[in-house]
Amino acid sequence: EDQVTQSPEALRLQEGESSSLNCSYTVSGLRGLFWYRQDPGKGPEFLFTLYSAGEEKEKERLKATLTKKESFLHITAPKPEDSATYLCAVQDNTGGFKTIFGAGTRLFVKA
Amino acid sequence: DTGVSQDPRHKITKRGQNVTFRCDPISEHNRLYWYRQTLGQGPEFLTYFQNEAQLEKSRLLSDRFSAERPKGSFSTLEIQRTEQGDSAMYLCASSAGQGFYEQYFGPGTRLTVT
Repeated sequence: EDQVTQSPEALRLQEGESSSLNCSYTVSGLRGLFWYRQDPGKGPEFLFTLYSAGEEKEKERLKATLTKKESFLHITAPKPEDSATYLCAVQDNTGGFKTIFGAGTRLFVKA
Repeated sequence: DTGVSQDPRHKITKRGQNVTFRCDPISEHNRLYWYRQTLGQGPEFLTYFQNEAQLEKSRLLSDRFSAERPKGSFSTLEIQRTEQGDSAMYLCASSAGQGFYEQYFGPGTRLTVT
């Protein structure tokens, strides 16, 4: 069964302190991987889609990378407004378009 | 484009009552998903539609849950005989096309069962 594990569960950073979030996944075959940001009480907001190992995508202070078994979300010089829960999700390529999410990493950035 | 909308945003109900939620996807998005999210967890897949066809339903979803998308536009999620364990945020998302596309989420409906 498809599975997504995110670590750490929570991460506290000082403003400007760069770090990475991890998403490990187990699927029969990967169709693609999503990263989302979720603020409290709101629906997830789409950030990136990654399709194949070696792919990288960037947006402002965020960069997502993908290997065969995991993905990383790198946050460079974070600001307090980057505080949120970051969710990873996968779809396998065995038929349908069911999407499995991880539990997320809660990021707190202190000024 | 106004994005995905959900109604109501909050619902408080007593155990044993039936509730129905509505989702309006982004126009022309032909795929629609329902998820359930509890505190500290990621969204849990419930079901998805391709146009009006319900193509997959989570094995974890009991018979008390039913979803429809009668004309391939808006969708409804009904929970019958609600239980306290049904208290959660119910999220709807839509995506475009026939292939692999990102999903855009609505603001969710928060259900509290007392």
